[in-house]
Amino acid sequence: NAGVTQTPKFRVLKTGQSMTLLCAQDMNHEYMYWYRQDPGMGLRLIHYSVGEGTTAKGEVPDGYNVSRLKKQNFLLGLESAAPSQTSVYFCASGGPLAGGTNTGELFFGEGSRLTVL
Amino acid sequence: AQSVTQLDSQVPVFEEAPVELRCNYSSSVSVYLFWYVQYPNQGLQLLLKYLSGSTLVESINGFEAEFNKSQTSFHLRKPSVHISDTAEYFCAVTQNTGGFKTIFGAGTRLFVKA
Repeated sequence: NAGVTQTPKFRVLKTGQSMTLLCAQDMNHEYMYWYRQDPGMGLRLIHYSVGEGTTAKGEVPDGYNVSRLKKQNFLLGLESAAPSQTSVYFCASGGPLAGGTNTGELFFGEGSRLTVL
Repeated sequence: AQSVTQLDSQVPVFEEAPVELRCNYSSSVSVYLFWYVQYPNQGLQLLLKYLSGSTLVESINGFEAEFNKSQTSFHLRKPSVHISDTAEYFCAVTQNTGGFKTIFGAGTRLFVKA
């Protein structure tokens, strides 16, 4: 079972460069999320999606964009990277399965470590 | 809006000793509550969850948490820890009606010493 897969796992950027992180899930979940994890701050929600073609802002959306063109994929983009975006990024999926209810449980990828110089 | 406070950033403990990791939350609506565990260089994994019913919930590896509505707490406990329990633990909350967003606490690093 692949679950939630993030690519790439590591990336180093220079200030001002752009990049895209890809998240793919094979569990047919409706909801997908991007979080960033920084020491002492836990996980903070960047953007999320409650279905194909929808996106919404989380707690810290500035400097990021997202797209959900296919149900199984959720892309996180940085148009002009800044050192403050150095972090570990986690994708998660969850939500109601067909005919079921949402229990709130999330399934996480292994993370993508991004360094912006 | 919801918020989660984990009262201890680090908890060092000796092997086979009991441990409690504290979590308080605030919310104007009913919520689901979770504990996730993160081992080094890995993503988060669900440890246990409270959705409804019995206020005491247990995991398969000996952890338990008790939902206390009056104190808005969901503390995690284990009567005897192992070296392998060394990890970071996150408390999280989601609204139980139409809730799409899960909010996490800052995490508690549990360090088990031999």
